[in-house]
Amino acid sequence: GAVVSQHPSWVICKSGTSVKIECRSLDFQATTMFWYRQFPKQSLMLMATSNEGSKATYEQGVEKDKFLINHASLTLSTLTVTSAHPEDSSFYICSAPSTGNTGELFFGEGSRLTVL
Amino acid sequence: AQSVAQPEDQVNVAEGNPLTVKCTYSVSGNPYLFWYVQYPNRGLQFLLKYITGDNLVKGSYGFEAEFNKSQTSFHLKKPSALVSDSALYFCAVRGRLGNTGKLIFGQGTTLQVKP
Repeated sequence: GAVVSQHPSWVICKSGTSVKIECRSLDFQATTMFWYRQFPKQSLMLMATSNEGSKATYEQGVEKDKFLINHASLTLSTLTVTSAHPEDSSFYICSAPSTGNTGELFFGEGSRLTVL
Repeated sequence: AQSVAQPEDQVNVAEGNPLTVKCTYSVSGNPYLFWYVQYPNRGLQFLLKYITGDNLVKGSYGFEAEFNKSQTSFHLKKPSALVSDSALYFCAVRGRLGNTGKLIFGQGTTLQVKP
């Protein structure tokens, strides 16, 4: 099946720094990608929809200046956590829909962010 | 609004016994329904989906799920559980209307299979 690659798989940073997470579709093109955030033992919270060539669509309550999303090509979306703080520590997962448009999502392996 | 409910935080079952993980949904119109599994510190792996057709859907690793429109349910089942099935399971829904591709996930159910 289609593969979505996410990098880095884990990152530790100091408070106040910015961290960039990459999400790539390896064998298919994705005009749309989705970014989720997951807290320990909790469900996935949709943060935003990344749209190739245009602005991302953010879910209610998600700070767009805090979580910058760029979708510069049909195979790459990036999430930048700006001026990270300990409360931003979480597991971030990206996904891309199947080309058949049946709603199935392919997920990256996730990125564990720890802000000290 | 679309929503998914997984009423059980955790399901415990002995290896070799059948397992059921429950899911109910609320969506306008006919839904697309999905089950995903997540192992610790990993992304989600697709198990199966219901789009249309037969109400009983067979998926990966011997799992199956039954779509019940009248009860708005999509319970995940497996006839004989394995210890390796122990993981976090998510049910998800997407409405056919307003096709944005977004999936809405349930709270997740931890499946614990004991030897």
